Amino acid sequence: DAGVIQSPRHEVTEMGQEVTLRCKPISGHDYLFWYRQTMMRGLELLIYFNNNVPIDDSGMPEDRFSAKMPNASFSTLKIQPSEPRDSAVYFCASSRGRDRNQPQHFGDGTRLSIL
Amino acid sequence: AQSVTQLGSHVSVSEGALVLLRCNYSSSVPPYLFWYVQYPNQGLQLLLKYTSAATLVKGINGFEAEFKKSETSFHLTKPSAHMSDAAEYFCAETQGGSEKLVFGKGTKLTVNP
Repeated sequence: DAGVIQSPRHEVTEMGQEVTLRCKPISGHDYLFWYRQTMMRGLELLIYFNNNVPIDDSGMPEDRFSAKMPNASFSTLKIQPSEPRDSAVYFCASSRGRDRNQPQHFGDGTRLSIL
Repeated sequence: AQSVTQLGSHVSVSEGALVLLRCNYSSSVPPYLFWYVQYPNQGLQLLLKYTSAATLVKGINGFEAEFKKSETSFHLTKPSAHMSDAAEYFCAETQGGSEKLVFGKGTKLTVNP
């Protein structure tokens, strides 16, 4: 089975530009999570969805960040306008079912650099 | 707030030596606990999970972890380190009754020849 697929793998852009990160979860998984990883702050949960509905966005740092899940097989995380402090690796993960023991499956991440 | 503590941000062992990575959780209710491994430029991969069925959990690549409620610990061990085990390891627990995972800060394992 295909795992969680993220694109692009790398993104370099200038401050002020709009950035869109994409994620395709594993088929049949009904939870989708967006994380950010930095050296200083480690892994931070930004937002997660259940059945395409945002459940908790308390980790989204500012209004510049937004996430959508228009259908069960696609999600986007958008930053507009981007700033150098947004530079990080962004991970998408998905899991199946309401049972808390179901592990999250991670994509390989998008390494974002804002100049 | 719940937290997961991983003692030691860096651990270095010789090839063939015992690997011990420490994790303490904070949940006051029976937690679900996970160990993940991250290789360079990759996402996190599940090593093993604790779901209350057994206190000693065996995972992939020869790793295992023991749940100790009295110590609120879930340490990860491997009897004999291999060069390919060099990676960063994360301990995590579910937060309350939600699907959210709380991650530790990670421990970077170096294996010396």
